[in-house]
Amino acid sequence: DAGVIQSPRHEVTEMGQEVTLRCKPISGHNSLFWYRQTMMRGLELLIYFNNNVPIDDSGMPEDRFSAKMPNASFSTLKIQPSEPRDSAVYFCAASQGVNSPLHFGNGTRLTVT
Amino acid sequence: QQQVKQSPQSLIVQKGGISIINCAYENTAFDYFPWYQQFPGKGPALLIAIRPDVSEKKEGRFTISFNKSAKQFSLHIMDSQPGDSATYFCAAIASNTGKLIFGQGTTLQVKP
Repeated sequence: DAGVIQSPRHEVTEMGQEVTLRCKPISGHNSLFWYRQTMMRGLELLIYFNNNVPIDDSGMPEDRFSAKMPNASFSTLKIQPSEPRDSAVYFCAASQGVNSPLHFGNGTRLTVT
Repeated sequence: QQQVKQSPQSLIVQKGGISIINCAYENTAFDYFPWYQQFPGKGPALLIAIRPDVSEKKEGRFTISFNKSAKQFSLHIMDSQPGDSATYFCAAIASNTGKLIFGQGTTLQVKP
């Protein structure tokens, strides 16, 4: 079991550019979560999916953010256009259902200059 | 809106001492309270969890104490070791929402 795999590990981009973060969840884990971590705001839930369907996207900060889960083995978080305040570590996590442990990937550190 | 408040923000403990981290919540619909441990460059990992029908849960050197009436819960690390140095997050979830909400985190340093 390789765990939750995120790519890239680091992303540096200029303001205004499009950024796409990728996540491969654990096979059989039907809930997928995207979190953002910053020093100021801690771990914030952006959006989560259940069986590939978005359930709650109330944490998505702006229309510049979008997330998709086209199948059970892949999800993306896109920021277009990116801004310096989007700089953070973005985590993808997967679980087998409510009250089951969340298994986090190692995150993508995004820097927008 | 901070639904789970965690303190202290940072903690320094001598090796062999007891580390105590506290959390408080507001939403009475929360029905599952996990703690996560995070090392630098890694994602958080589940450490221990408790449900509100239990007042205490112990796993090795880690104990959760839960006070439902006060809406507070805490993590105790007994015989703290330098390897325990990490950031600890309390969290809470309401089953009907499926949303896991994290506290702000506590950075623990255990001095040898």
